[in-house]
This record gives sequence, structure tokens and C-alpha cells, in this order.
Amino acid sequence: DQQVKQNSPSLSVQEGRISILNCDYTNSMFDYFLWYKKYPAEGPTFLISISSIKDKNEDGRFTVFLNKSAKHLSLHIVPSQPGDSAVYFCAASVGETSGSRLTFGEGTQLTVNP
Amino acid sequence: KAGVTQTPRYLIKTRGQQVTLSCSPISGHRSVSWYQQTPGQGLQFLFEYFSETQRNKGNFPGRFSGRQFSNSRSEMNVSTLELGDSALYLCASSPWPSGSSNNEQFFGPGTRLTVL
Repeated sequence: DQQVKQNSPSLSVQEGRISILNCDYTNSMFDYFLWYKKYPAEGPTFLISISSIKDKNEDGRFTVFLNKSAKHLSLHIVPSQPGDSAVYFCAASVGETSGSRLTFGEGTQLTVNP
Repeated sequence: KAGVTQTPRYLIKTRGQQVTLSCSPISGHRSVSWYQQTPGQGLQFLFEYFSETQRNKGNFPGRFSGRQFSNSRSEMNVSTLELGDSALYLCASSPWPSGSSNNEQFFGPGTRLTVL
């Protein structure tokens, strides 16, 4: 039972354009959402998060949008840079305090072409 | 401050053997979680430990077990290895319960286990 799904295993964009990574969830108890980025041979690193009381959170080139009614969130990267090429994981938890169990999606491989 | 460290980084075992993986969390972090990453499955939660007690457990068979020591270091054990256990095993630590308000977990580089 995949409670968090990333339906696109890969995405390719040109440098300078917008990258949009999507994530859907089924568990209505989830109230905190995170995006992690993973380079080969490294562990995932935290990128940005959003609480269910918000519908948008922005941090520099990264913006996460949350549509609770559709149980959908997306990560926008603009402008995209070649160094953004990595696997991006969407994650969700019940509760936002650290230590809450994270449920991850399958990941989307983003490739930004120079 | 040193990050999360995992040993060994790579491991090759044969079916039926058992394996122990080790994780040292960031200094001061008391919660340690383990995840299994396989192609197409994302990161699957195995279990979480805090103060030497298992707080959460994922949907894995009893062959997968873990423990945490008083210094917060954690080990994960897999007995009677199967081919399907080949995966990247990631450990993550967090400062819970006295840490950040956002549920950020800090991951180690993982142990790549190959079962032949």
C-alpha cells in the first residue's frame, strides 16, 4: 500500500527552465510534508517542507505547493541548474515534530541539461 | 559537527547468511531510524529507536531487527538473507524530542548490501 506516490520516475529539463516534481498521497492523516534530494553515493538531504496549515512555502529557488483537497503536492525549482540533477523524494508524516515516522515516495530522477 | 556515519559502506553476502550494519548518529541526536531503499520502491521505513527502545516499526519480517545502545549508536541485523534483501540501507538521526520543530531527519550515506 503505497501511501505516497511519485508517478514520474524521471524528468528532464533545460537549464534555466522550471522543474516541477509531483507527489500524491492517500493518507489523510498526513499533515507534514518534506522534500529530500539525493545524490549518488550519498544519503538524502533535506530540501524544504510544508505544514498542512499552509498551501505554499518558498525557499530561494525552491517552492513547495500543497493542495490538501487533491492530496497533492509539488516542488518547483526555478531556475533549474545542472547541479540540481539528483533523485528527489517526497515524504510525509503525521505530526511535524522531529522523530515522527516519514513515509517516502519512490523518487523522481531530475536531470537538468546545460 | 560530524554527520551520520554508517559502516560498512559496502557488503556482499550469500543467501542464508546474516548481517549486522552499524550507524552512529550525529552527536546529541537520540533518535535513529532505518530505511531500506530498493529501485522503484523508494525508501521503506524499517524501524526507529529512541533511548534504546524501539518506538516505531515498519512492515518487514522478523528477520529484520535492530537495537540501540546507550550512546545512541544503532545496529541493524538481518538474518537468513534472501536475494530480495539486496538494497541500500540508510540510517537517519534526529534530535527528537528536544530538537527542531520541523521533522527533518539527517541521513547517512548508507550501506549497500548485495546478497548473492
